[in-house]
Amino acid sequence: DTGVSQDPRHKITKRGQNVTFRCDPISEHNRLYWYRQTLGQGPEFLTYFQNEAQLEKSRLLSDRFSAERPKGSFSTLEIQRTEQGDSAMYLCASSLARDHQGYGYTFGSGTRLTVV
Amino acid sequence: GQNIDQPTEMTATEGAIVQINCTYQTSGFNGLFWYQQHAGEAPTFLSYNVLDGLEEKGRFSSFLSRSKGYSYLLLKELQMKDSASYLCAVSGYSTLTFGKGTMLLVSP
Repeated sequence: DTGVSQDPRHKITKRGQNVTFRCDPISEHNRLYWYRQTLGQGPEFLTYFQNEAQLEKSRLLSDRFSAERPKGSFSTLEIQRTEQGDSAMYLCASSLARDHQGYGYTFGSGTRLTVV
Repeated sequence: GQNIDQPTEMTATEGAIVQINCTYQTSGFNGLFWYQQHAGEAPTFLSYNVLDGLEEKGRFSSFLSRSKGYSYLLLKELQMKDSASYLCAVSGYSTLTFGKGTMLLVSP
């Protein structure tokens, strides 16, 4: 297993366009998380899945954002009608079980989105 | 909700010891994590504390006091490659909440 993979690594888009990011978690991990990180800040939670069920969404996740994990494996995060404030690093992470087991999350390398 | 505070920046010299503090206020607690993040890269797991006390892992140690809502990460024998952001993260009911990170700059 090569860890958590995210695609693309970088995305530049014009304001108002839609973008979609993909995350492939570690295969045996049943939990998948999306975080957003801006410069000088820590990662901010967006949403998470257990298998294919989306169990929690942050208030940060406006109606323009939607995430799916259709078969409990890979996940996609779509942003519609992008705004300049959406420019950030979008991090995906996965975990085997409740993080209190001590292993935390394994993060992907992220997708850096720039909205111009 | 969760509130996590850590210093924004710290500087230290190669070979020295540095302690990065983290204080937190949470509505649920299932452990505290420290992650290291180099510029432009993903956070990587460093340590985990769920009980009070010190956990040691080579050059890195982490301490937790649940009654005080306090943790620290201790880095010994600093190396240039330790220059990075160090993120304190609290495990709540279902997810991790991260602090803003402490940028550590190690100079020769």
